Amino acid sequence: AQTVTQSQPEMSVQEAETVTLSCTYDTSESNYYLFWYKQPPSRQMILVIRQEAYKQQNATENRFSVNFQKAAKSFSLKISDSQLGDTAMYFCASFLGGATNKLIFGTGTLLAVQP
Amino acid sequence: DSGVTQTPKHLITATGQRVTLRCSPRSGDLSVYWYQQSLDQGLQFLIQYYNGEERAKGNILERFSAQQFPDLHSELNLSSLELGDSALYFCASSVGELIGYGYTFGSGTRLTVV
Repeated sequence: AQTVTQSQPEMSVQEAETVTLSCTYDTSESNYYLFWYKQPPSRQMILVIRQEAYKQQNATENRFSVNFQKAAKSFSLKISDSQLGDTAMYFCASFLGGATNKLIFGTGTLLAVQP
Repeated sequence: DSGVTQTPKHLITATGQRVTLRCSPRSGDLSVYWYQQSLDQGLQFLIQYYNGEERAKGNILERFSAQQFPDLHSELNLSSLELGDSALYFCASSVGELIGYGYTFGSGTRLTVV
């Protein structure tokens, strides 16, 4: 079965520091897409960053970047210069190709940015 | 505003009742997806429609049904409601059937069954 695993239920970081959230996935497909979504207290799901599996270059979006290790099936999110507004639940998700048309989500990591 | 509109935002109803959740996708998006987010189950995929046709089905209960109309808006019908159906229900949309660019989510409908 195709799965997405986030092993850190909660994390905390000081404002202006850097934090890395971990995600691993399992698939036998060769082409797929990976995503990080942010869910702040407002409960809105916001796309933070995406990565195409066939691209070796790690995606970056301002203070957010990923470390994509295809062989290890690892997709971690690095948040630099953490801000109070980054406090949220972060979900790793994947579109793993094959017959499914759905995004599979991990269980989430609750990130608290401390002042 | 993400461009995906869900109504109502909050719904409180009694066990055994039926409710309808509505979703209007972002302009130009043909695919609509429904997800259920509960505390103990995380984000669970329910069903996907593309241009009016059902495309993929997840762990959707038989008491639940959905459809996508010619104007592309979608409705999720939940019947014979149970306490365990209390959750946040998200609708999301994407341009095509395949989701290489991810979804755009609505703000969700919080359903409370009492």
